[in-house]
Amino acid sequence: DTAVSQTPKYLVTQMGNDKSIKCEQNLGHDTMYWYKQDSKKFLKIMFSYNNKELIINETVPNRFSPKSPDKAHLNLHINSLELGDSAVYFCASSHPGGNSPLHFGNGTRLTVT
Amino acid sequence: AQTVTQSQPEMSVQEAETVTLSCTYDTSESDYYLFWYKQPPSRQMILVIRQEAYKQQNATENRFSVNFQKAAKSFSLKISDSQLGDAAMYFCAYRSGGSGNTPLVFGKGTRLSVIA
Repeated sequence: DTAVSQTPKYLVTQMGNDKSIKCEQNLGHDTMYWYKQDSKKFLKIMFSYNNKELIINETVPNRFSPKSPDKAHLNLHINSLELGDSAVYFCASSHPGGNSPLHFGNGTRLTVT
Repeated sequence: AQTVTQSQPEMSVQEAETVTLSCTYDTSESDYYLFWYKQPPSRQMILVIRQEAYKQQNATENRFSVNFQKAAKSFSLKISDSQLGDAAMYFCAYRSGGSGNTPLVFGKGTRLSVIA
């Protein structure tokens, strides 16, 4: 019973391509997130959605477009991939309220060549 | 904006010994929560322990405990009886309180090695 699942686990693609990462959670959480973990392991918030509505967009290039068809899904589409987009992308979800921890997916390692 | 600082990029500990990982944070908020997450080589992000800022009592979870010093804005993690499986990246994280949907703000992590 995977709580937060992301696909694919690995993604290797060439510069200029468009790719998507899918995320689904079965925890009944209202809020979902995308984080980027760079090569130095730093985790930075990219987007946050609550009940399908965007609530946080942390100055991410507009080549990145999140889409939430329902509150259990938050997909990330990336256009015109660049070398600097290579990273691990984590999806997470939580209940509202600061005391609720985030539950993370296992990450998608994106490699742009 | 809140910031989280982990000043030890790497630490090592002998198996069965105790190690403490440091974390400080900066905030002007009075209502917040603090977390430690573990990331083993498998890449999973695993919640280790959480602390409510309004609680003076330090949180404990089995071999893991925290030393929460609110005035000093310090939140260190102590791992007792270290095991080989404790080897991982450890991230300290901050989340604003209230009923909102604020994200976690992470420190840069500490890589912990456990020596057999």
